[in-house]
Amino acid sequence: SQKIEQNSEALNIQEGKTATLTCNYTNYSPAYLQWYRQDPGRGPVFLLLIRENEKEKRKERLKVTFDTTLKQSLFHITASQPADSATYLCALPHNQAGTALIFGKGTTLSVSS
Amino acid sequence: GAVVSQHPSRVICKSGTSVKIECRSLDFQATTMFWYRQFPKQSLMLMATSNEGSKATYEQGVEKDKFLINHASLTLSTLTVTSAHPEDSSFYICSAREPPIETQYFGPGTRLLVL
Repeated sequence: SQKIEQNSEALNIQEGKTATLTCNYTNYSPAYLQWYRQDPGRGPVFLLLIRENEKEKRKERLKVTFDTTLKQSLFHITASQPADSATYLCALPHNQAGTALIFGKGTTLSVSS
Repeated sequence: GAVVSQHPSRVICKSGTSVKIECRSLDFQATTMFWYRQFPKQSLMLMATSNEGSKATYEQGVEKDKFLINHASLTLSTLTVTSAHPEDSSFYICSAREPPIETQYFGPGTRLLVL
């Protein structure tokens, strides 16, 4: 079955810097990969989806890359702000035919002013 | 954007009682809904996939007789935790999907505490 690794449990950066979060998967290459943000005690909020035939996707200060050779996705937040502090989750389809998602453990980002 | 609501947001119950959690898609029709459980400092664990009008598909290790799922309409799925025990205390989150879009929209979650 598919396994997801988000290497850093926690990432601390200063305001204005770029945060880079990593997501690696171990098995088959998924048709797409998603990133979510989760605040404490809340449900995840969808941020970006990138498909297997896309190398990069951008949305405002967010950028996601997808390298199927490395089996890795990178999630970047540029010009980070304290309000960006949250846990960021990488998610993939549960299996090659399914619609459910499996999630990584997440990386908790703290942006200090 | 798509909105998913959950009710209640918090529930405290005695051991042995049953608790029902509702998940509603407010502005779209969700043919598929999903139920997740999240323990402190852990990631979301998929419990079951709920399809409107048919039986839910449970993940390995999830007891279908303990976690009853009903998806009676395109906007409502319910999860009933039967005979709840303290180890069932967790954060339960539902999500909904509007095919063919792959994005899942999550509810705010329900914090269950079983005493």
